[in-house]
Amino acid sequence: DAGVIQSPRHEVTEMGQEVTLRCKPISGHDYLFWYRQTMMRGLELLIYFNNNVPIDDSGMPEDRFSAKMPNASFSTLKIQPSEPRDSAVYFCASSFGLAVSSYNEQFFGPGTRLTVL
Amino acid sequence: AQKVTQAQTEISVVEKEDVTLDCVYETRDTTYYLFWYKQPPSGELVFLIRRNSFDEQNEISGRYSWNFQKSTSSFNFTITASQVVDSAVYFCALSEAGNNAGKSTFGDGTTLTVKP
Repeated sequence: DAGVIQSPRHEVTEMGQEVTLRCKPISGHDYLFWYRQTMMRGLELLIYFNNNVPIDDSGMPEDRFSAKMPNASFSTLKIQPSEPRDSAVYFCASSFGLAVSSYNEQFFGPGTRLTVL
Repeated sequence: AQKVTQAQTEISVVEKEDVTLDCVYETRDTTYYLFWYKQPPSGELVFLIRRNSFDEQNEISGRYSWNFQKSTSSFNFTITASQVVDSAVYFCALSEAGNNAGKSTFGDGTTLTVKP
C-alpha cells in the first residue's frame, strides 16, 4: 500500500511568492496532520483535521498560513506570502482515529523541504 | 496540558554499546497512548512502538526494548548492542483520549550517534 504522499519534495522560492504544499493521506485514515520541523523549534504541529474538518489550528504561525482538506484524500498547506523564516521541512501525517481503532500511530510522509530565499 | 520531555538532546555511543533514551511525560488523562518514532538521516519519521496507559508490560523487539512505568511517568527506550544504522533522531510522543484525541504531543527528540 502507498504511504502518505507529499509533493513537491523540494521547493525553492523567493520571498513574497505563494507556496502550496500537497498531501495525500493513507486511504481510510480519518486524521491528517501538518507539521513543521526546524533545527531551532523542532517538530511543531501546525494544524490537524478529523474527517476533513479542521480541529485545531492553534499551531499555525500566522495568517500567511492556511490549510484545507477538500476531501478525504487530499490536503494543502499554503503560505502566502512566503518569508525566509518559513524555510523548514513540512511533514504531513495521517492516522486512524481512536473511535475506529485502538491503534492511532501516525504515518508520516517524506516531507517537503521548503527554502525561501 | 500534556507534555513530553526528552532530557537527552544528544547521545553518542560506540557500536555494540547499549544505550537508553529517556522519556518523561505529563498528562491529566487516565487513558493515553505513548509512542516512539525514529527519524533517520533520510528524514522520514517512522513509527516504532505504541503503548496504552493500561498496558505496563514491557516489550522487546529484537535489539529494541521499551520500559513503561506509570509510577514515574516514564517510557524509556533501550537499544542493545547498538549499530551504526541506529543513528537517528528518536522522538517520544503522547496522545490523550479526551478532547484532543488523535493529536500527539512530541518531545524535542534525542539525537543518537553510533560510532563504528
